[in-house]
Amino acid sequence: EDKVVQSPLSLVVHEGDTVTLNCSYEVTNFRSLLWYKQEKKAPTFLFMLTSSGIEKKSGRLSSILDKKELFSILNITATQTGDSAVYLCAVDPPAIYGGSQGNLIFGKGTKLSVKP
Amino acid sequence: GAVVSQHPSWVICKSGTSVKIECRSLDFQATTMFWYRQFPKQSLMLMATSNEGSKATYEQGVEKDKFLINHASLTLSTLTVTSAHPEDSSFYICSAREQGIRYTFGSGTRLTVV
Repeated sequence: EDKVVQSPLSLVVHEGDTVTLNCSYEVTNFRSLLWYKQEKKAPTFLFMLTSSGIEKKSGRLSSILDKKELFSILNITATQTGDSAVYLCAVDPPAIYGGSQGNLIFGKGTKLSVKP
Repeated sequence: GAVVSQHPSWVICKSGTSVKIECRSLDFQATTMFWYRQFPKQSLMLMATSNEGSKATYEQGVEKDKFLINHASLTLSTLTVTSAHPEDSSFYICSAREQGIRYTFGSGTRLTVV
């Protein structure tokens, strides 16, 4: 049973398009929801969201969390070819979800391809 | 910002041999580090949690005798894949959390067992 579900799994757009990546989750009472960008190697941090309704922005990227509806979105405006990557959503759950406290639960990711 | 160094970046080994992967927190102390495995086109799956000075905690389905974890200091955790087989070929990534702040990932190790 997937606790973190991302959609779409794959997306192809052209430069300049705006994209919205979705992440829904079943984990409640989590400490934070995180977004990462993974190119060829390890994920790089994008955002950490802890409060509902507060948008976080970094350049052309923004993200928001809805704790009531249990989802988060990652927006990328004016996409560039360098945005091509797999975008991972992860939830930092409480210890009751198994494993040791502090481990992240990842979604399967959304593969974004931006064509020139 | 926090930096986690992982070594080696890639390794090719023969079936039946053992491979050690190191994960170091360079500018902070990490009492807990996490080891993930990622198969092609799959997401990161937690394998185990490495605790400094005590035994690692393994996720269900991960063989602790095959994936040996040692966390001997506050800045170093090692993962040893023993008697590696081709099905162990994967991308292994460690991460550490600095004092409750966000997780930082190592650069990953691509293991190929031939």
